[in-house]
Amino acid sequence: EVQLVESGGGLVQPRGSLRLSCAASGFTFNTYGMNWVRQAPGKGLEWVSYISSTGGTINYADSVRGRFTISRDNAQNSLYLQMNSLGAEDTALYYCARDVKMAINQYVFDMWGQGTMVTVSS
Amino acid sequence: SSELTQDPAVSVALGQTVRITCQGDSLRIYFASWYQQKSGQAPLLVIYGKNNRPSGIPDRFSGSSSGNTASLTITGAQAEDEADYYCSSRDSSVNPNYVFGAGTKVTVL
Repeated sequence: EVQLVESGGGLVQPRGSLRLSCAASGFTFNTYGMNWVRQAPGKGLEWVSYISSTGGTINYADSVRGRFTISRDNAQNSLYLQMNSLGAEDTALYYCARDVKMAINQYVFDMWGQGTMVTVSS
Repeated sequence: SSELTQDPAVSVALGQTVRITCQGDSLRIYFASWYQQKSGQAPLLVIYGKNNRPSGIPDRFSGSSSGNTASLTITGAQAEDEADYYCSSRDSSVNPNYVFGAGTKVTVL
């Protein structure tokens, strides 16, 4: 079965750290770019970070740059998000999503996990 | 970074047609993709490009694009189409970043 399964969320104190994982199965993980997308409670979707299939290209949203680090282990079919200096504004459901170039200038998130909840609170 | 603008909410009578729009400068370069998110569920890709549907998406969902505007149309809306719909595209300012619209809540009456 083709799926993405996130884990690692939880309750963390302000200025704390957390590492999220996303386990991929059912497809050739090392041929796809991957993303983290988050959704604060009752709010819309916010793109967080992208990593290319080889890990050679990485980008971050301005809101997390310098605090979050995306990485991947293609041997383990896994995607990670190291989150440091967390604040209340980082409280959200974090999804991993597969990145696909459908055609020229056509990029989509064609697969999503169910998400892992991160709550930043004292 | 670029922004994508969507109407916050729209309602449609059962069986009627509803059109959702998404505007942004990035759409002059990149095609939009549309995601349906039902309550408590992960987003689901429903339309991408000019008018492409992934396997399993009903043909009552269609898309169009012109200039800086992309549209999602549901023709013959069903009760199960009630959801939040988000547009997204690559961000034309920096590559490869992405941007989402704020979402449109579709209510089927």
